[in-house]
Amino acid sequence: DIQMTQSPSSLSASVGDRVTITCRASQGISNSLAWYQQKPGKAPKLLLYAASRLESGVPSRFSGSGSGTDYTLTISSLQPEDFATYYCQQYYSTLYTFGQGTKLEIK
Amino acid sequence: QVQLVQSGAEVKKPGASVKVSCKASGYTFTSYYMHWVRQAPGQGLEWMGIINPSGGSTSYAQKFQGRVTMTRDTSTSTVYMELSSLRSEDTAVYYCAREGVVAAAGVFDYWGQGTLVTVSS
Repeated sequence: DIQMTQSPSSLSASVGDRVTITCRASQGISNSLAWYQQKPGKAPKLLLYAASRLESGVPSRFSGSGSGTDYTLTISSLQPEDFATYYCQQYYSTLYTFGQGTKLEIK
Repeated sequence: QVQLVQSGAEVKKPGASVKVSCKASGYTFTSYYMHWVRQAPGQGLEWMGIINPSGGSTSYAQKFQGRVTMTRDTSTSTVYMELSSLRSEDTAVYYCAREGVVAAAGVFDYWGQGTLVTVSS
């Protein structure tokens, strides 16, 4: 299985900050990467796919980049509603795997 | 609008089975694959398997082979996930998630609200 490793595991930031979360795959995944946001007690919500394509309705302050094995999610200016846990997911292999999550907390 | 509505919370004893349902609406049921993903308390997301609602074919994660069965009922646009031989480690929230198409194939674009399954003696 392809292992997905996110860093950091947790992050404290303030409203207005620029934040970057990294996801590394154990092998190349050819941009077959999605990012999800999950708030407590709620289902995950799709933010981006194909590494950098914004899902419809997702604010443009969210962006993604990367290639090969290394990918990033950037939030350009944190808003109060962005404090949540973020997961990456690879779909290069149909043995779908997720990163362990990055919890974004208010500083 | 697309909706995936799951059945309610369950409490089961070790060794028992549980069957969770996921009723789809707002789109053509047979045109989109459906997945099941679970999340243990305070933990991350774990993919369990996929069902093609059109023909009923399935594929399961190795970890769940032999214990999980995914089925569908096209007359009610509902998919089911049954997990047997339950143990305490199976305590989790179970989600159904629709897979996108074309550029979003392999991506989970809509999710059910989740079903908490608690395994306890």
